[in-house]
Amino acid sequence: QSVLTQPPSASGTPGQRATISCSGSSSNIGSNTVNWYQQLPGTAPKLLIYSNDQRPSGVPDRFSGSKSGTSASLAISGLQSEDEADYYCAAWDDSLTGYVFGTGTEVTVL
Amino acid sequence: QVQLVESGGGVVQSGESLRLSCAASGFTFSGNGMHWVRRAPGKGLEWVADIWYDGSKQYYVDSVKGRFTISRDNSKNTLYLQMNSLRAEDTAVYYCARDYWDCISGTCYKVLDYWGQGTLVTVSS
Repeated sequence: QSVLTQPPSASGTPGQRATISCSGSSSNIGSNTVNWYQQLPGTAPKLLIYSNDQRPSGVPDRFSGSKSGTSASLAISGLQSEDEADYYCAAWDDSLTGYVFGTGTEVTVL
Repeated sequence: QVQLVESGGGVVQSGESLRLSCAASGFTFSGNGMHWVRRAPGKGLEWVADIWYDGSKQYYVDSVKGRFTISRDNSKNTLYLQMNSLRAEDTAVYYCARDYWDCISGTCYKVLDYWGQGTLVTVSS
């Protein structure tokens, strides 16, 4: 079972801002950096944000990440229809000695 | 460009075995750790296992310990996942992913930066 908790869904109209939270503990988010992945329907996951707030080359600056203590969040500003996807936070867990993903959030653009 | 191509998925009966492969190209395979991640139908992503760049260390999620073995052949630029004693709950799309270490102030953190397209494993009971 996932040790990182996310809301199951988030939504907004085109142009609005959506925020996804990710809650963990001291053994994962509290002591390691957070990465975010986007999985479009029928495709492989894609790295969206790494090391809490860094965007890989090619990721629009509409996507931003932050971390505070044992929680992290992903913000999508200026929502677009192509942002409809599942989003996952992830981090290494020192207690489990493994990589853990969040429960996932399905983003819908209304 | 980095390319990861999985193969070996299929339909098997409960209790049987299967070996997945992941062919890597576009980077120095022996310089990066590698991971397997799966997504079961209707579920989220689940990390399965990872292996260090030289094969010296492996880590597994508890649910597959003792049944799955991750390995690599750096001379063939290929990652493997040997899956034994398969169960219905192992049914999923399996992805391989490259491990990139982002180092900050002397401490390095894992990032799964490139992913393959996945291979489907179906275990029927």
